[in-house]
Amino acid sequence: KAGVTQTPRYLIKTRGQQVTLSCSPISGHRSVSWYQQTPGQGLQFLFEYFSETQRNKGNFPGRFSGRQFSNSRSEMNVSTLELGDSALYLCASSRRTGNTGELFFGEGSRLTVL
Amino acid sequence: KQEVTQIPAALSVPEGENLVLNCSFTDSAIYNLQWFRQDPGKGLTSLLLIQSSQREQTSGRLNASLDKSSGRSTLYIAASQPGDSATYLCAVSGSGGSNYKLTFGKGTLLTVNP
Repeated sequence: KAGVTQTPRYLIKTRGQQVTLSCSPISGHRSVSWYQQTPGQGLQFLFEYFSETQRNKGNFPGRFSGRQFSNSRSEMNVSTLELGDSALYLCASSRRTGNTGELFFGEGSRLTVL
Repeated sequence: KQEVTQIPAALSVPEGENLVLNCSFTDSAIYNLQWFRQDPGKGLTSLLLIQSSQREQTSGRLNASLDKSSGRSTLYIAASQPGDSATYLCAVSGSGGSNYKLTFGKGTLLTVNP
């Protein structure tokens, strides 16, 4: 059974650009969450999508957005990149309905902003 | 606002030793608690999940306990091995609509010396 797949794994952008990251959840999982991991702040919740609707949102500026497609795949977008957006972006999937709430994470997309 | 603290921040032990990692959280109204392992530059691997109504979970050499009323969890690792070296993260999910939003601790960096 394939795990959570994130693409791309590594990318380098410059300030002011935008970036789109993709996440394919485990088959049968309909919830996708996104987290940002930095050395200073640790892991922070960005948002969660279920049935193509954003269900929860963390405390990040509007430059961070996401969406979910009908096949449960999700994308997140960061516009007008800043140096501080350099981080490991992790995606997690869950069945969400009728389960324990266990989350399974992908390998992450490492973004470097120059 | 939920806050999760992990003590110690780093731990170095000789191979074969039993050890305990600690996690505390400020709001006892949680849905579940998960322990994860993270290897350098990698994603998170789920180790154990404890539902809010449970007291402990075991998997192989790992045992996690939960005392929701006091806001504490411990991860016990028996007969540690060099392959156990990693960062261990504790995360709690909120109740109600935040069941799938995890709040993470900063982690404990474990080094097991051969």
